[in-house]
Amino acid sequence: DVVMTQSPLSLPVTLGQPASISCRSSQSLVYSDGNTYLNWYQQRPGQSPRRLIYKVSDRDSGVPDRFGGSGSGTDFTLRISRVEAEDVGVYYCMQGTHWPPTFGGGTKVEIK
Amino acid sequence: EVQLVESGGGLVQPGGSLRLSCAASGFTFSSFWMYWVRQAPEKGLAWVSRIDSAGSTINYADSVKGRFTISRDNAKNTLFLEMNSLTAEDSAVYYCARATLGTLDVWGQGTTVTVSS
Repeated sequence: DVVMTQSPLSLPVTLGQPASISCRSSQSLVYSDGNTYLNWYQQRPGQSPRRLIYKVSDRDSGVPDRFGGSGSGTDFTLRISRVEAEDVGVYYCMQGTHWPPTFGGGTKVEIK
Repeated sequence: EVQLVESGGGLVQPGGSLRLSCAASGFTFSSFWMYWVRQAPEKGLAWVSRIDSAGSTINYADSVKGRFTISRDNAKNTLFLEMNSLTAEDSAVYYCARATLGTLDVWGQGTTVTVSS
């Protein structure tokens, strides 16, 4: 199975400041159709996961544009340009290129 | 509104059984593959099982193979997970999720399964 490694484990951030989460895969996530199926999910406290980003950088409807995804191959990043209080939670990357789908271990974003 | 609502979780003794349901609305359920994903307490996410739109292609994680059965009723827009021979390691929040190519785009709110004597 493809191993997804996220860092850091915990990310204390000051309100209004940027945040960055890294996700690395043990194999390239480029699919045979040329797409890269790397997703980012947000899980707020007590809630279910919500997809924020798919195919590396496509934002879901309703997701604020302060969230952005980038990367290629095996190295990916989720950036929050200016952290707000509602962004507190755990963020997971998930690859859907190789069977079975696998998740990173999560990064907990908290306010300093 | 696209929605998935799980039910059927609860407290069960080791060796017991539970049947989870996931009611879908707001989209053409019969057109989508569906997944069950679980999250053990204070842990990450892990896929459990998936089923294709017609119910003919099914996969299970090794940890549940032979004990769990996924199924669906497209006429009733409902996904199921029959869980037998439960152990403490199966204690988790179970989510159903809608799948499209390379992604799980819609998740339910989850139902909690606790296996304990």
